[in-house]
Amino acid sequence: DSGVTQTPKHLITATGQRVTLRCSPRSGDLSVYWYQQSLDQGLQFLIQYYNGEERAKGNILERFSAQQFPDLHSELNLSSLELGDSALYFCASSGRGGAVRDTQYFGPGTRLTVL
Amino acid sequence: TQLLEQSPQFLSIQEGENLTVYCNSSSVFSSLQWYRQEPGEGPVLLVTVVTGGEVKKLKRLTFQFGDARKDSSLHITAAQPGDTGLYLCAGAGGTSYGKLTFGQGTILTVHP
Repeated sequence: DSGVTQTPKHLITATGQRVTLRCSPRSGDLSVYWYQQSLDQGLQFLIQYYNGEERAKGNILERFSAQQFPDLHSELNLSSLELGDSALYFCASSGRGGAVRDTQYFGPGTRLTVL
Repeated sequence: TQLLEQSPQFLSIQEGENLTVYCNSSSVFSSLQWYRQEPGEGPVLLVTVVTGGEVKKLKRLTFQFGDARKDSSLHITAAQPGDTGLYLCAGAGGTSYGKLTFGQGTILTVHP
């Protein structure tokens, strides 16, 4: 158990819908990262938050957004969903402000299926 | 754009055999992490290497970080069926501040 929790475990929805994925980091970790894992693209970095503020952005679509709340949990919002958004979405957390040598610990993921 | 090339993509071996997985890049990383992932679960950290030339051992697993911090390898001695899974290398640092750049992964199957 990494200490990172994600809900829900599975999510099935239809195209055009909007969903919210939730992540609680390890106790004491200030940084939260979101990743998408698909069969053809592997694990891709989406976005990083540190203590409530956006720190880095990857190949995140404009239809996707995220935020980190004062209690440090984070939510990833996916809207206008398309079939190609079906994937595993992982949250990871680290301490010390996300410095480059920080180890990231991953949650169990949310499997999103868009029908 | 930083890329990590991981090879081989698939590895199917018999119990007791040795194997090596490689992770190569043209970019320098400040650290490199190896993860193992089971189907439907999140990646689980195996090791982080941060110093060029560093070697770390975890039971039958040996991890090495290249001198120039551009490449890494994972060597498993006397593989067991319990080693079966997806192995991922991930680099941090350089131009990818904060985020991890992942290799495509190696699917290892160890047959009894």
